[in-house]
Amino acid sequence: KQEVTQIPAALSVPEGENLVLNCSFTDSAIYNLQWFRQDPGKGLTSLLLIQSSQREQTSGRLNASLDKSSGRSTLYIAASQPGDSATYLCAASSETSGSRLTFGEGTQLTVNP
Amino acid sequence: DAGVIQSPRHEVTEMGQEVTLRCKPISGHDYLFWYRQTMMRGLELLIYFNNNVPIDDSGMPEDRFSAKMPNASFSTLKIQPSEPRDSAVYFCASSYSGTVPSEQYFGPGTRLTVT
Repeated sequence: KQEVTQIPAALSVPEGENLVLNCSFTDSAIYNLQWFRQDPGKGLTSLLLIQSSQREQTSGRLNASLDKSSGRSTLYIAASQPGDSATYLCAASSETSGSRLTFGEGTQLTVNP
Repeated sequence: DAGVIQSPRHEVTEMGQEVTLRCKPISGHDYLFWYRQTMMRGLELLIYFNNNVPIDDSGMPEDRFSAKMPNASFSTLKIQPSEPRDSAVYFCASSYSGTVPSEQYFGPGTRLTVT
């Protein structure tokens, strides 16, 4: 059974700082790993999707990496802004779970002006 | 496209009442997922459909919960009778099929409060 863990649970940084959010998963036979952003009281917004054959994906100031052998993914946010404040969730789908996504508990990010 | 549409956005009901949540997936998507989010348990998958057929309902907590997808553009999640512990935010998501599972797009959610 796939289990996904995110560390830290909360992070507070000053504006402009580069930061890394961590995600680990137990089943390395993943199909893909998806990073989401959730603002308070809102739904989930997909940020990046990394297929199992890929090592990383980039979108603007965001870069996500995937290392299946170590069961880890990282989300790198460059030059953080107050508008980046939100909860970031990672989710993995694996060969044993098919299209089912298993979510981590999220990292609550606060970027202080 | 308007994205995944859910209704109602908020629902307050009394214990014992029937609750029906609705979802319209993105046009062309053939996978539809129902999730529940609570502070205690995080995001949980309840059930998902492929081409209107339920594939995995192992996350449905009890017989009080049922889900249907009568056509490619509409799904319902019903709770009967509702209980206070069902209070949560319920999300619907959709994706399209390929050789591997693709990106899931989430709706805005329905915040359910059962008193």
